[in-house]
Amino acid sequence: QKEVEQDPGPLSVPEGAIVSLNCTYSNSAFQYFMWYRQYSRKGPELLMYTYSSGNKEDGRFTAQVDKSSKYISLFIRDSQPSDSATYLCAMSVRGGGSNYKLTFGKGTLLTVNP
Amino acid sequence: DGGITQSPKYLFRKEGQNVTLSCEQNLNHDAMYWYRQDPGQGLRLIYYSQIVNDFQKGDIAEGYSVSREKKESFPLTVTSAQKNPTAFYLCASGGQGLYGYTFGSGTRLTVV
Repeated sequence: QKEVEQDPGPLSVPEGAIVSLNCTYSNSAFQYFMWYRQYSRKGPELLMYTYSSGNKEDGRFTAQVDKSSKYISLFIRDSQPSDSATYLCAMSVRGGGSNYKLTFGKGTLLTVNP
Repeated sequence: DGGITQSPKYLFRKEGQNVTLSCEQNLNHDAMYWYRQDPGQGLRLIYYSQIVNDFQKGDIAEGYSVSREKKESFPLTVTSAQKNPTAFYLCASGGQGLYGYTFGSGTRLTVV
């Protein structure tokens, strides 16, 4: 079983739809949870991060973590064509020294159609 | 502005040649990472370095080499021993945990 599982999609939705992106994980030691957005031929950029179970909201984006189920989600409300990108979940656990090692999902390709 | 600079953006290599990808950061991060990204395979870790003059192999280090002589710089050399080097290469640096990594804009390497 892989440490982080993410449905690769592709996912295609109409503009204005609510999008739900999900990841499951097996390592209960993961402490921090992140979502990255990657536009085509660009590097990933950090979209949201959280470290506790529950919801965190930032504008149209909501990150949800359920540590008991080992499940994280990213919700996008009122989706826009500019949200079309690959979304990667990431989780971290403390590695050597004071640095944390990230483990990434494979990414979900989202297309929002005008 | 603080960030990570990767160069060049596009690179073409003839078979049998070594090429070096540049990665420079001014974020004062101790740790730096190199990833390879292929369609459908996500990010695969090549090498990482947590401190100057020290680095460790990642999951797919064969055919690659790195150096970390300065905190700001972590160049990656793709050697002729790498059998399938055509890919998108991403450099990242990381502070501590909560804020994840900061990525560069990537280098697309093509073997011709």
